[in-house]
Amino acid sequence: DGGITQSPKYLFRKEGQNVTLSCEQNLNHDAMYWYRQDPGQGLRLIYYSQIVNDFQKGDIAEGYSVSREKKESFPLTVTSAQKNPTAFYLCASSMDRGYNQPQHFGDGTRLSIL
Amino acid sequence: AQKVTQAQTEISVVEKEDVTLDCVYETRDTTYYLFWYKQPPSGELVFLIRRNSFDEQNEISGRYSWNFQKSTSSFNFTITASQVVDSAVYFCALSERDNYGQNFVFGPGTRLSVLP
Repeated sequence: DGGITQSPKYLFRKEGQNVTLSCEQNLNHDAMYWYRQDPGQGLRLIYYSQIVNDFQKGDIAEGYSVSREKKESFPLTVTSAQKNPTAFYLCASSMDRGYNQPQHFGDGTRLSIL
Repeated sequence: AQKVTQAQTEISVVEKEDVTLDCVYETRDTTYYLFWYKQPPSGELVFLIRRNSFDEQNEISGRYSWNFQKSTSSFNFTITASQVVDSAVYFCALSERDNYGQNFVFGPGTRLSVLP
């Protein structure tokens, strides 16, 4: 089955620690995205990537970093510079960055502070 | 100003009632796409429908129907004979073309609770 796999489902971060959220897709999509969702709120774009070895900041990139070394993978690192990281993180992909393309989502990762 | 407005934060209905979720958008483009997504309690966003700005025909899929009115910049979603499994947060989204390909903007969502 084609889809997007995010892991882990739940993640806990200690003060001063960097953590990495995994996102893998087998849909052969070129574009991938990371969103943050806070309780009762909509989705805010953190980073996106149109193609391998390329990525762009979204609306709330501060305190986060990404890489895109393989088409299938787009990991997100939440750094210690992100002072309020507790949120639900969603990874998405689309065939390309054409504006007619729907985005398809993974199951998400819930990140909490210890 | 918000590009996508979903004025209803939360709606509660009793099973078998019909319910309409409102979506109003704002854009200067003549060509754009609109989407609806469902987010059940499990968290994953499920893609429901895509509509382009040139197609104002209403669409029906089972108990779901969508009414797109360009004149009022609205793309409303109706669930007929609601069921408990319809309980979720529903997001409307607007996709416009920008210099980098796609500017995809989600509304704040409407939480629908269907009570048995």
